[in-house]
Amino acid sequence: DAGVIQSPRHEVTEMGQEVTLRCKPISGHDYLFWYRQTMMRGLELLIYFNNNVPIDDSGMPEDRFSAKMPNASFSTLKIQPSEPRDSAVYFCASSLTSPNTEAFFGQGTRLTVV
Amino acid sequence: DQQVKQNSPSLSVQEGRISILNCDYTNSMFDYFLWYKKYPAEGPTFLISISSIKDKNEDGRFTVFLNKSAKHLSLHIVPSQPGDSAVYFCAASDGNDMRFGAGTRLTVKP
Repeated sequence: DAGVIQSPRHEVTEMGQEVTLRCKPISGHDYLFWYRQTMMRGLELLIYFNNNVPIDDSGMPEDRFSAKMPNASFSTLKIQPSEPRDSAVYFCASSLTSPNTEAFFGQGTRLTVV
Repeated sequence: DQQVKQNSPSLSVQEGRISILNCDYTNSMFDYFLWYKKYPAEGPTFLISISSIKDKNEDGRFTVFLNKSAKHLSLHIVPSQPGDSAVYFCAASDGNDMRFGAGTRLTVKP
């Protein structure tokens, strides 16, 4: 397996534009997580899915953020409209069973909103 | 709120010496703890974990200690090597989700 695959690796967009980040988890993994990494707060959990169902989205900062998982092999994180303070590295991770197991991370998407 | 805290943003040690990275948590429901290592431009990778029923877990040069009464865990690396230079994240889970600390940047000097 190629691991967790995220695209794009880098995204630069103008304030107010819509941004969509994509993630392909490891096949067979039941859990998928979206994290945001910033200098001040480290890795923040935004939302996670279990068997494609969103379980906890309390970490999603605002209504401008939304996430979907239409099937077991694909998830998106959308920001609309984007703002400069959304600039960060966004990671997707998946794990085989419960969150009490090792999570495998993608390489991240570095988002810059200017 | 930060349920998992790593109060030292950086640590520098000499090659061959011990590196000790610390982590504190506030949620008593956490029962599984992990350490991840992250190199620049890469995602975090799993390093070592410990269940709350244990107070120590060892894997080669890496040992994690858990003090449940103090809600504190630490990662010991002995001996430290230059290739260990990275950002280390502490993580904790209550079986529902996983929370991370802000990370500690370890630099091992040759």
